[in-house]
Amino acid sequence: QKEVEQDPGPLSVPEGAIVSLNCTYSNSAFQYFMWYRQYSRKGPELLMYTYSSGNKEDGRFTAQVDKSSKYISLFIRDSQPSDSATYLCAMRSTDSWGKFQFGAGTQVVVTP
Amino acid sequence: EAQVTQNPRYLITVTGKKLTVTCSQNMNHEYMSWYRQDPGLGLRQIYYSMNVEVTDKGDVPEGYKVSRKEKRNFPLILESPSPNQTSLYFCASSLNRQNTEAFFGQGTRLTVV
Repeated sequence: QKEVEQDPGPLSVPEGAIVSLNCTYSNSAFQYFMWYRQYSRKGPELLMYTYSSGNKEDGRFTAQVDKSSKYISLFIRDSQPSDSATYLCAMRSTDSWGKFQFGAGTQVVVTP
Repeated sequence: EAQVTQNPRYLITVTGKKLTVTCSQNMNHEYMSWYRQDPGLGLRQIYYSMNVEVTDKGDVPEGYKVSRKEKRNFPLILESPSPNQTSLYFCASSLNRQNTEAFFGQGTRLTVV
């Protein structure tokens, strides 16, 4: 079983809708939680990161972490066609700084 | 411009023929890492390096070698490539091991026939 599970999608939404993405994980030692965006034929780029539990907001993006449920979410408000990409969650623990675990990625399509 | 540069971008090779994929960063980052990306499996870490001469295995190190003789370079070596190493490879770097922002290269698409 993979340590990080993520629904691959595709997730299709109309422009202006809220996009809801999530990942579940099994390793309770994970402390850092990240969301990356990857456009086709490009390398991933960091969108947001959260340490431990709680919410974090940055513009149209909100990241949530629920460590008790081992569940993280990313919400994109007022979605735009330019948000069409694959979104990857990633995690790391403080007892293994160098190792990152990524989800499989969710493909998001925002239709005009 | 701050960047991570991988070469080559595309490579088709034959089974058993040794190859090296280069990765270079110009940000004086301590931490560098290699990943492979396969459909349905996402990014899987191959090797990482905390600093010069310090490397460690990720989740899928079999069939790969790395070296970190200089801070800016972190080449990935396939001594005897096999078809199951056909994949999209990414190099990434971060300021240091605690830093969560990883800068990724553009990727190297490798096909082993």
